Amino acid sequence: DTGVSQDPRHKITKRGQNVTFRCDPISEHNRLYWYRQTLGQGPEFLTYFQNEAQLEKSRLLSDRFSAERPKGSFSTLEIQRTEQGDSAMYLCASRAVQGVTGELFFGEGSRLTVL
Amino acid sequence: AQKITQTQPGMFVQEKEAVTLDCTYDTSDPSYGLFWYKQPSSGEMIFLIYQGSYDQQNATEGRYSLNFQKARKSANLVISASQLGDSAMYFCAMREGYNAGNNRKLIWGLGTSLAVNP
Repeated sequence: DTGVSQDPRHKITKRGQNVTFRCDPISEHNRLYWYRQTLGQGPEFLTYFQNEAQLEKSRLLSDRFSAERPKGSFSTLEIQRTEQGDSAMYLCASRAVQGVTGELFFGEGSRLTVL
Repeated sequence: AQKITQTQPGMFVQEKEAVTLDCTYDTSDPSYGLFWYKQPSSGEMIFLIYQGSYDQQNATEGRYSLNFQKARKSANLVISASQLGDSAMYFCAMREGYNAGNNRKLIWGLGTSLAVNP
C-alpha cells in the first residue's frame, strides 16, 4: 500500500492556460475525493467519485473544472483557462466504503500557482 | 455561522509536554462524527483520531486523545509528550449524519498551527 499519490506536486502556469492534475488512490478504495485548500483555510469539497461514477459536484466546481475517473482507478482534475483565483492546493483523498469511521486518506496535494 | 471553530491560530509547546488544541462545533443533527487531521508542511492531510457522537468513551490513538464534551459541543485534541515532529497544522472536521458516506461533506475548521520547541 503506497498511499494516495498526486502528480505534479507543484505547477506554475500563466493565466489562461489549461492544467491537469492526476490522483492515484489507494488501490482497494473505491471512493475518491477532490478538495481545494487556500492559504489559511481548511479544505473545500469539490467533487467525489464512487468507482467511475461522479456522484456529486460542489458549486465551487465551475464549468472550467472537469474531473474524471474513467476506469474507477486514477482520477484527473482539469482546469481550463486558469485564473489567478485558481491558485491553491488541490488535494485528493480516497477511502474504503466499509466502516463507520470512513476516514479519508489524503495525498500530498498538487500546488497550483497561476501568474 | 461557522460550524467548526478553532480559536487558536497558533500554539507553542515545549518538547515532551502535553498540549490541548481546541475545537468547538455546532450542529442540530444528533448523529455526527468528529475528526482531527494533521497537515505538515509537506501538505498531506494525516488522519489522527475520530469520535462518533454516540461513542460512550473518549477516543484515544497512541499519544492522541480526544476530550469530547458533548454538552459543551467541544472536541479538543490532546497530544501527550509532544515531539518535534508534531509541529504542523491541525484541523478539526465534522461530518453531519452517521452515514460514513457523508464524509464528502466534511466541514473543516481553519486550523491551529502547532510549534514544538526543543
